[in-house]
Amino acid sequence: KNQVEQSPQSLIILEGKNCTLQCNYTVSPFSNLRWYKQDTGRGPVSLTIMTFSENTKSNGRYTATLDADTKQSSLHITASQLSDSASYICVVSPNTGTASKLTFGTGTRLQVTL
Amino acid sequence: EPEVTQTPSHQVTQMGQEVILRCVPISNHLYFYWYRQILGQKVEFLVSFYNNEISEKSEIFDDQFSVERPDGSNFTLKIRSTKLEDSAMYFCASQPGQGFQNTIYFGEGSWLTVV
Repeated sequence: KNQVEQSPQSLIILEGKNCTLQCNYTVSPFSNLRWYKQDTGRGPVSLTIMTFSENTKSNGRYTATLDADTKQSSLHITASQLSDSASYICVVSPNTGTASKLTFGTGTRLQVTL
Repeated sequence: EPEVTQTPSHQVTQMGQEVILRCVPISNHLYFYWYRQILGQKVEFLVSFYNNEISEKSEIFDDQFSVERPDGSNFTLKIRSTKLEDSAMYFCASQPGQGFQNTIYFGEGSWLTVV
């Protein structure tokens, strides 16, 4: 069964600090991995998209890494801001093109405090 | 920035009633999707729609569910006879074309509560 597991479940950090969120997946076949940010009660917003051939992808203060051999990904957030408080969801796609049958993780709930 | 819009934002309905959730995808997008998220759980795939027909659906998407794009603009999800377990946030999404590099845009969601 396709699974995406994320850790930690929740995280509290001080503003300005860095953090790293982890994702392990057992999705097959594998096409690409996406990280989304989801504010409470809102829709997910795309942060990064990586295929199996990409090791790293950055989007501003967000940097995602992917190790397709070990089926692990991480999302690193630098110089955190209060507005980074949200759930961060790892999403794996088995298809090369469409958004059908995306497998979502349960997310890591990040809280950035003063 | 263009966005996917969904209505209503929140609907409360009695068990057994029909519900229609509406979505306006981003103009010129070709692929449309419905996902749902039961409170405290993962987002789950329901159905994908392309070229005016369902292209893929999940086990969740049984005969009680249907989708259509009646006017080339709106994309609707209908639940014929709602059950308590249908209570969830329903997300519409659209994608400009096929290809992993095409960002998937999600709407803000419609929160459905079945009582």
